Amino acid sequence: GAVVSQHPSWVICKSGTSVKIECRSLDFQATTMFWYRQFPKQSLMLMATSNEGSKATYEQGVEKDKFLINHASLTLSTLTVTSAHPEDSSFYICSARVASGYNEQFFGPGTRLTVL
Amino acid sequence: QKEVEQNSGPLSVPEGAIASLNCTYSDRGSQSFFWYRQYSGKSPELIMFIYSNGDKEDGRFTAQLNKASQYVSLLIRDSQPSDSATYLCAVNWGGSNYKLTFGKGTLLTVNP
Repeated sequence: GAVVSQHPSWVICKSGTSVKIECRSLDFQATTMFWYRQFPKQSLMLMATSNEGSKATYEQGVEKDKFLINHASLTLSTLTVTSAHPEDSSFYICSARVASGYNEQFFGPGTRLTVL
Repeated sequence: QKEVEQNSGPLSVPEGAIASLNCTYSDRGSQSFFWYRQYSGKSPELIMFIYSNGDKEDGRFTAQLNKASQYVSLLIRDSQPSDSATYLCAVNWGGSNYKLTFGKGTLLTVNP
């Protein structure tokens, strides 16, 4: 299957700082990537759809000014959590869509964010 | 509201048995269906996808789709303890947004 990487795999930051998470498709081009958040023992929650060369589409209830998404190339999308607070601590996972397939999504390994 | 329903489990089967995981979805026009496996603390891993009625087999895994009943299932033959994980059903409703809607997942435990 297609390979998606994420960096960093984990990060600890102080409250009020910003954290950037990178998502890369390593062996295919991804015009569409997705950002999810998952709290312990809960299901995946889609945060936003990231489209190459255009603005991201955010799900209802997700603050676009707090979770900045940039999809500057066909292989890279970034999520920046601005002014992070302890309640933002979660497992953030990106996925990339294979354009030539049946819309299957391949997930990155995830980034575990802890805000102190 | 388009929904994907799964029994949360846990589903417990003995090693070597067949595990049967089920999923129903609300929109009859849904186009493609996916099964992901998620180990605790890890991200989801795509196991199979299916888009036509009937069965699709890949190794020990068989996906079954019945669009008339709005039902998709995953069978795992010869279950192994390493199959113990949460299995997520996901549905693409079609259209141009490419989003997947995930069920809450079924926790499978395979007992040695």
